[in-house]
Amino acid sequence: GQNIDQPTEMTATEGAIVQINCTYQTSGFNGLFWYQQHAGEAPTFLSYNVLDGLEEKGRFSSFLSRSKGYSYLLLKELQMKDSASYLCAVLDSNYQLIWGAGTKLIIKP
Amino acid sequence: GAVVSQHPSWVICKSGTSVKIECRSLDFQATTMFWYRQFPKQSLMLMATSNEGSKATYEQGVEKDKFLINHASLTLSTLTVTSAHPEDSSFYICSVSQIAKSYNEQFFGPGTRLTVL
Repeated sequence: GQNIDQPTEMTATEGAIVQINCTYQTSGFNGLFWYQQHAGEAPTFLSYNVLDGLEEKGRFSSFLSRSKGYSYLLLKELQMKDSASYLCAVLDSNYQLIWGAGTKLIIKP
Repeated sequence: GAVVSQHPSWVICKSGTSVKIECRSLDFQATTMFWYRQFPKQSLMLMATSNEGSKATYEQGVEKDKFLINHASLTLSTLTVTSAHPEDSSFYICSVSQIAKSYNEQFFGPGTRLTVL
């Protein structure tokens, strides 16, 4: 079966750095997405990786290792507004998005 | 990116009634729209893929006679929850897929929170 694993919840301090991991086992791979979802709102796109390596976009970076079935989202200089759930999703061989359960990130002052 | 709206934002209804949720792609002609359901503290669950001018494709376990989907135009898809029951209370989100760079990025509507009493 297809499976995406991410931690359920993480806590970090304002101004610090946090890394949210995602491992996946899917039938085929056509890219991995990270989305941010604030409580009661729809997800918003953060990043897309299809090749191995690190993609940096401002305070957020996303890394992919296809051989390991592994990705992480790195958030730097954490702000209170970064408190949200972060969803990892993989596009499988049928171009269908397989979603992880999301990681709830709690930022403390 | 594409701008997607949903209406209503939230709805409360009595058990046994039907509820229609609209999803509009405001600046993009979407041949395909997706309907998701999300229960509290759970991830998005794809319910169906809505194709303009044809029947929707439902995911396994989703009752097509209960969740009626109509995609009559390139900018509008509707989801009707027929004879809603309390277990149908959830956050319903639609999305459209647009090719951005070399991949299909999904743009989500703001969601509709349904509470069935």
